[in-house]
Amino acid sequence: EIVMTQSPATLSVSPGERATLSCRASQTVSSKLAWYQQKPGQAPRLLIYGASTRATGIPARFSGSGSGTEFTLTISSLQSEDFAVYYCQQYNNWPLTFGGGTKVEIK
Amino acid sequence: EVQLVESGGGLVQPGGSLRLSCAASGFTFSSYYMQWARQAPGKGLVWISRIYKDGSGTNYADSVKGRFTISRDNAKNTLYLQMNSLSAEDTAVYYCARESPQRGDYYFDYWGQGTLVTVSS
Repeated sequence: EIVMTQSPATLSVSPGERATLSCRASQTVSSKLAWYQQKPGQAPRLLIYGASTRATGIPARFSGSGSGTEFTLTISSLQSEDFAVYYCQQYNNWPLTFGGGTKVEIK
Repeated sequence: EVQLVESGGGLVQPGGSLRLSCAASGFTFSSYYMQWARQAPGKGLVWISRIYKDGSGTNYADSVKGRFTISRDNAKNTLYLQMNSLSAEDTAVYYCARESPQRGDYYFDYWGQGTLVTVSS
């Protein structure tokens, strides 16, 4: 099973600032990496797939990069609605696995 | 608009059973692989099961294999998860999700709102 490790666990950022979230895979997942956003009491929402492709309707301030074992989600200028928990997920191997999440909170 | 609405959650005793349903609308249900994932209180997401478009094939996480059964009724646009031999470790919000339509891309492009399953005596 591929273990996905996200860091940091919590990121404190001021509105308007940049946020950089990391996701590391225990073995290569090529570019088979997705990012999701989850707000309290809500279902996850797909942000990024293929490591860098934004899903339909996702603002351009969200960008993904990386391949192999190291991935990054960048939010260029945090808006109030972006404070949430973010999860990465690999889909290169079964079972599908998620990272433990990064909570982006208001500084 | 794609909608996935889960139901069937609730309180069940250890060793008991429960069947979850997920009603799909807004897309051609029979054209998509479908999945279940869960999230224990305060924890992260965990994939648990997948079913082929026509129901001919299934996949399970080791943690639920032999206890849970995924199925679908394409005529009713509904996905199911039959859960048996439940234990406290199965307490979680259960989400149904639609798999990406791209062949070989097993990410989830739409999720339901989830249904809470609590296993307790």
